[in-house]
Amino acid sequence: QKEVEQDPGPLSVPEGAIVSLNCTYSNSAFQYFMWYRQYSRKGPELLMYTYSSGNKEDGRFTAQVDKSSKYISLFIRDSQPSDSATYLCAMSAGDSSYKLIFGSGTRLLVRP
Amino acid sequence: GAGVSQSPRYKVAKRGQDVALRCDPISGHVSLFWYQQALGQGPEFLTYFQNEAQLDKSGLPSDRFFAERPEGSVSTLKIQRTQQEDSAVYLCASSRTEETQYFGPGTRLLVL
Repeated sequence: QKEVEQDPGPLSVPEGAIVSLNCTYSNSAFQYFMWYRQYSRKGPELLMYTYSSGNKEDGRFTAQVDKSSKYISLFIRDSQPSDSATYLCAMSAGDSSYKLIFGSGTRLLVRP
Repeated sequence: GAGVSQSPRYKVAKRGQDVALRCDPISGHVSLFWYQQALGQGPEFLTYFQNEAQLDKSGLPSDRFFAERPEGSVSTLKIQRTQQEDSAVYLCASSRTEETQYFGPGTRLLVL
């Protein structure tokens, strides 16, 4: 079993919808949580960074971390076709915070 | 400002050839990381540099893989005697803090 699980999708939504992307993990030592967006044939782009539990909002994006359930989420409001990409969650533990453990990514398609 | 750059963007090698992949980090970033991303998967950690010191190379898959960063800026990932299973995208990232890593576009390696 992988340390970080992520539904590969694809997830197809109409433009303007609220998108919910999720990851579960097994390592209770994870303290740093990130979401990356990756367009086809591009490198991952950092969207959100959260330390420990709680919520963080940035524009149309909200990241949530529930350490008690080992579950993290990314919400995208008013989704746009330009949001169509693969979304990767990543996390790391305090004693090796540089070693990011990634999920396999969820493909999102926002239909015009 | 300029992001992380990698070269070449694409590399085709015959099995058994040696290859060298280059990474130019964001100016001022002391930390540099290499990841390997297989098709349909998330990136997997290979190695970590802080300035010129290689602090963790636990993710390198075999002794055919070697990374260096001799002057604490540009880094090279070398793969000797390439095998078909080495085919992947090799991503370089840099950061000021260990967790918030910024990725380059990657080098897509195909071993025939």
